[in-house]
Amino acid sequence: NAGVTQTPKFQVLKTGQSMTLQCAQDMNHNSMYWYRQDPGMGLRLIYYSASEGTTDKGEVPNGYNVSRLNKREFSLRLESAAPSQTSVYFCASSEGLAAGELFFGEGSRLTVL
Amino acid sequence: AQKITQTQPGMFVQEKEAVTLDCTYDTSDQSYGLFWYKQPSSGEMIFLIYQGSYDEQNATEGRYSLNFQKARKSANLVISASQLGDSAMYFCAMRELYNFNKFYFGSGTKLNVKP
Repeated sequence: NAGVTQTPKFQVLKTGQSMTLQCAQDMNHNSMYWYRQDPGMGLRLIYYSASEGTTDKGEVPNGYNVSRLNKREFSLRLESAAPSQTSVYFCASSEGLAAGELFFGEGSRLTVL
Repeated sequence: AQKITQTQPGMFVQEKEAVTLDCTYDTSDQSYGLFWYKQPSSGEMIFLIYQGSYDEQNATEGRYSLNFQKARKSANLVISASQLGDSAMYFCAMRELYNFNKFYFGSGTKLNVKP
């Protein structure tokens, strides 16, 4: 029972390099999310996708792009990584209901040097 | 404005005692959901409990209960009979019905359970 799977788990980048975080869910959820977690700041929403084919900005979208490839997959791309993007990134999914909780992936720790 | 406020960055509790983690929220929507998540040191996010804004009864899940005071806009998590395995970060979150694709999270409370 995989749930939400994100890769890679760890990544070290140099400033200016690009990379893509991959996320897939097998729960047939419509909504998918990318969050970043920084010490003392909780989880902040980067982008979300309410359904296949749609994406919207969250609280901290600058420096990121996303693609909702299909219902299962939602990727996050850093085009030119900056040290301020050093963080733990979580992908999550949920049903499109007010009572539906978020199901999280295990997180991806990204360090930008 | 902060949607979710958790004012206790860290707390200690003695094993087997009860502990309350505070959460206040800000919304003008009448329909919303409130959630608590646990994040152990291993890093995964674990869903604990849910309370809907129209639910009249406080939610309970095993040793977890949610003390929901709608007029005060608070949704405190109560953990009864604390265990060492309860040591973790705890996050309060809200989802508004009018835009239920957005979850708002608080900054978290680090709970340490002492033996």
